Amino acid sequence: DVKVTQSSRYLVKRTGEKVFLECVQDMDHENMFWYRQDPGLGLRLIYFSYDVKMKEKGDIPEGYSVSREKKERFSLILESASTNQTSMYLCASRTTGDEQYFGPGTRLTVT
Amino acid sequence: DQQVKQNSPSLSVQEGRISILNCDYTNSMFDYFLWYKKYPAEGPTFLISISSIKDKNEDGRFTVFLNKSAKHLSLHIVPSQPGDSAVYFCAARAYGQNFVFGPGTRLSVLP
Repeated sequence: DVKVTQSSRYLVKRTGEKVFLECVQDMDHENMFWYRQDPGLGLRLIYFSYDVKMKEKGDIPEGYSVSREKKERFSLILESASTNQTSMYLCASRTTGDEQYFGPGTRLTVT
Repeated sequence: DQQVKQNSPSLSVQEGRISILNCDYTNSMFDYFLWYKKYPAEGPTFLISISSIKDKNEDGRFTVFLNKSAKHLSLHIVPSQPGDSAVYFCAARAYGQNFVFGPGTRLSVLP
């Protein structure tokens, strides 16, 4: 079974803090994705990566950056957290097929 | 402007009856479609897919219908079970592009 894990299920941070969200997959997938899920908006793609050290902007990259130093790990970084970044963050991975495998999500609250 | 729309935020169905979840899209280049199911506190899991060369795909109790001329797809669940209660996301992509997700429909199956 494919397993995608995220470092935290719940996180509370203060405005202006630097936040790291970690994602690890165990199936040697080339492609990894970060989404945020907000009510009424569905899943919106923040960043994705096709390979180690490669990253591409998704639909809403502003205020975020990513890092992929190892194939199995994809990190999302909020350089200076703001209240409008309060959301559910979902990591996903996939190989060459279309089906994405999602982690359980991190609910981030920025106060 | 959302390219993938799920106009019903919620749906309630009696156990044993049919559930029909609808999805509309605007981009005529979309050629592959997925449905994901999401339980609270879990990541979305893949349910069923359909390619634009088909108009129907069936997997057990789940059937997806695609009407390309209307840019509309629907997911039918027959018979509905209480365990089907979840949020259902429709996703679509054009060849070589990332998936675009709809806002989701919350299905409640009442015993």
